[in-house]
Amino acid sequence: GENVEQHPSTLSVQEGDSAVIKCTYSDSASNYFPWYKQELGKRPQLIIDIRSNVGEKKDQRIAVTLNKTAKHFSLHITETQPEDSAVYFCAARNYGGSQGNLIFGKGTKLSVKP
Amino acid sequence: KAGVTQTPRYLIKTRGQQVTLSCSPISGHRSVSWYQQTPGQGLQFLFEYFSETQRNKGNFPGRFSGRQFSNSRSEMNVSTLELGDSALYLCASSLRSDGETQYFGPGTRLLVL
Repeated sequence: GENVEQHPSTLSVQEGDSAVIKCTYSDSASNYFPWYKQELGKRPQLIIDIRSNVGEKKDQRIAVTLNKTAKHFSLHITETQPEDSAVYFCAARNYGGSQGNLIFGKGTKLSVKP
Repeated sequence: KAGVTQTPRYLIKTRGQQVTLSCSPISGHRSVSWYQQTPGQGLQFLFEYFSETQRNKGNFPGRFSGRQFSNSRSEMNVSTLELGDSALYLCASSLRSDGETQYFGPGTRLLVL
């Protein structure tokens, strides 16, 4: 089955710097890759997602890149702000597959220091 | 639209008891997935329901079960609770079963003593 590895587990940056979180997946049939942000005590919130027919997607300060050949995808946050501090989860799913549930990485705790 | 809701939000049980958690999806969503979140294991998939049928199941013992009703509301049940079942149980709803964006509820925090 699918396995998703996420690195780093913790990341500390200064306000205004960029943050990059990387994930690798094992199942080449996976074709949907969402990223969730979970603030302390709150529910995971979808912040961006990408499908395998796209190499990059941007939404203001957030971007995700996908390398299907290498089976890895990354989250890029530019101009970080203290409110970006949270745990970020990547996930992979085989869109339309019979066992197409989301498999999550273990999460990255991002701390943005003012 | 109202978001995904879960009840109860907090629950304390003792070992050996059973518990039922409820999830109401976003209006119009027909798929509900359940996840267990713990500090050590992260988010682990329990099962997914679509149109009252279980579509997928994760690697959890048979003590974990679920069902979905005709109005798409879902319940999960854990019997013979163990200390290790203490976790945040999250449900997520999506419009369809085949990979659509999942929206999470606030979760039910279960503590087993």
